[in-house]
Amino acid sequence: AQRVTQPEKLLSVFKGAPVELKCNYSYSGSPELFWYVQYSRQRLQLLLRHISRESIKGFTADLNKGETSFHLKKPFAQEEDSAMYYCALSGRGSSNTGKLIFGQGTTLQVKP
Amino acid sequence: KAGVTQTPRYLIKTRGQQVTLSCSPISGHRSVSWYQQTPGQGLQFLFEYFSETQRNKGNFPGRFSGRQFSNSRSEMNVSTLELGDSALYLCASSYSGSGGSPNEQFFGPGTRLTVL
Repeated sequence: AQRVTQPEKLLSVFKGAPVELKCNYSYSGSPELFWYVQYSRQRLQLLLRHISRESIKGFTADLNKGETSFHLKKPFAQEEDSAMYYCALSGRGSSNTGKLIFGQGTTLQVKP
Repeated sequence: KAGVTQTPRYLIKTRGQQVTLSCSPISGHRSVSWYQQTPGQGLQFLFEYFSETQRNKGNFPGRFSGRQFSNSRSEMNVSTLELGDSALYLCASSYSGSGGSPNEQFFGPGTRLTVL
């Protein structure tokens, strides 16, 4: 079965604390993994994808195929990081690229 | 470039009616995907259209259908509305070139459908 699991509905941290948003997936094959973010009153937007191996706004995520995980990390949280974060996966190949499977989302709350 | 636009933004219907939602992708994008977002089920994939053809489909009943026009604009239709169809419907567009890797999906603001 194709599934993305985000175990935490809400993660609340203080400004400057490290953040780790967990994501585990189940997929038969070699998926592409993404993190999408939705700030208050804004559209859902791509934060980062595993194939680009970038750090965006201080966030990084490493794909661990052995543990089938793609956790999102940031060493020092900022108040502007408060948002809803979705982990998503897509299959490879042209027949799968338009279909994203999302986790339930984690609300990150960064307190001052 | 203008972003993905969806019309209407809000819609109220009654059970048994049908509804059509519209999505205009970013210029040059040929793939349009539709998602249903509800508090209970989260974001669920409905279907994807590419070059006027449905390329992928999620696990929704046949009451949910869509189409894509030659200018890549897409519509989705829900017939015989049920209370459970109340949701935010999002569309997303991507370039989806000839390569096998998925391209970034750009989301619209959504259409909020309420079924009474």
